[in-house]
Amino acid sequence: LAKTTQPISMDSYEGQEVNITCSHNNIATNDYITWYQQFPSQGPRFIIQGYKTKVTNEVASLFIPADRKSSTLSLPRVSLSDTAVYYCLVGDIRGNDMRFGAGTRLTVKP
Amino acid sequence: NAGVTQTPKFRVLKTGQSMTLLCAQDMNHEYMYWYRQDPGMGLRLIHYSVGEGTTAKGEVPDGYNVSRLKKQNFLLGLESAAPSQTSVYFCASSYMTGGSNQPQHFGDGTRLSIL
Repeated sequence: LAKTTQPISMDSYEGQEVNITCSHNNIATNDYITWYQQFPSQGPRFIIQGYKTKVTNEVASLFIPADRKSSTLSLPRVSLSDTAVYYCLVGDIRGNDMRFGAGTRLTVKP
Repeated sequence: NAGVTQTPKFRVLKTGQSMTLLCAQDMNHEYMYWYRQDPGMGLRLIHYSVGEGTTAKGEVPDGYNVSRLKKQNFLLGLESAAPSQTSVYFCASSYMTGGSNQPQHFGDGTRLSIL
């Protein structure tokens, strides 16, 4: 089963790029890597998903090396509103081996 | 378009009481999930369903039961509540397309306290 490990917290300043890495040494062939953002009193909200290599959308990029044992969420030019908890999820939605990391609390300072 | 709706939003129970949490989705998704979220532990999968009439155990299923009688609804039951089940419960739904996973959509949670 893929165990996911991510840093507990990170600090940044407005306008900087933030990179959050998740480790998942036991990732399975069918597993996807998905990142979510969560604000207090809300459910997690999808940011980006990938299987291998690099994925980019309008809010973030996801870098996955060839061995897929880790992944890095990149948030370009963060703002105060990006202060939240970010979760890495590894697994296949068809099975029970999905594993969330414990979350990284990102604090963006002015 | 409501997405995923959880009922109730808050509840306080006494040890030994029973209750049912309701999750409803209006996106015609095949897959539905129940998670619990505890401080410092992220979200842990309790039970899930890959279609109407089917359910399966997740990582932490003990003390919970589920039912999926209709595609749009997924119920989570606590038969005899225990203080260890104090948590925030999240429901999610998803689907596959072209053989690829699609992201899960989450409700806003049910905050359950058991005294």
